[in-house]
Amino acid sequence: ELKVEQNPLFLSMQEGKNYTIYCNYSTTSDRLYWYRQDPGKSLESLFVLLSNGAVKQEGRLMASLDTKARLSTLHITAAVHDLSATYFCAVHNDMRFGAGTRLTVKP
Amino acid sequence: KAGVTQTPRYLIKTRGQQVTLSCSPISGHRSVSWYQQTPGQGLQFLFEYFSETQRNKGNFPGRFSGRQFSNSRSEMNVSTLELGDSALYLCASSRQGGFANTGELFFGEGSRLTVL
Repeated sequence: ELKVEQNPLFLSMQEGKNYTIYCNYSTTSDRLYWYRQDPGKSLESLFVLLSNGAVKQEGRLMASLDTKARLSTLHITAAVHDLSATYFCAVHNDMRFGAGTRLTVKP
Repeated sequence: KAGVTQTPRYLIKTRGQQVTLSCSPISGHRSVSWYQQTPGQGLQFLFEYFSETQRNKGNFPGRFSGRQFSNSRSEMNVSTLELGDSALYLCASSRQGGFANTGELFFGEGSRLTVL
């Protein structure tokens, strides 16, 4: 059974700091997705990573994919309060989502 | 461009009742998938429809069912409701069906079901 594991599950950061969220998955997949969910809201697509070595950046967020290591990372640079949300990675082979990383950015 | 629309947004039911939720995908999207989100189990895939056919199904009991119409709108039904069915039910649409495709998902706001 495909497993998608995110860590950390909870992350409290100071504004201006950098941090990385990790997403490990247990089966072969050449594509991975990142979504953001604000409290009480739906999910919003952030990144679609379609091949090994793929790197995408949007503002203070950068996502990468290493299919050989079955690992994707979501790097946060100089965090700001607006980034506070829950971030999910997903492997669409089996429509399996990670448990989510709840990020809180404090002033 | 209109997004994915789900109705109703909130509903309260009692155990044993049934419920039907509706989802209208983004225009031109032919794939609709459904998810259950709970604090304990997280996001779990229910099923996916493409061109009126169920393409994939998650690990849920037969009380959970769905269908898709010729205009790509989809409904899901839960019969004989249990307390544990209380959840946020999310619908998502994508251009292509089948998970092997590059199917970026666009989610609706969800239907929050409370079972008493």
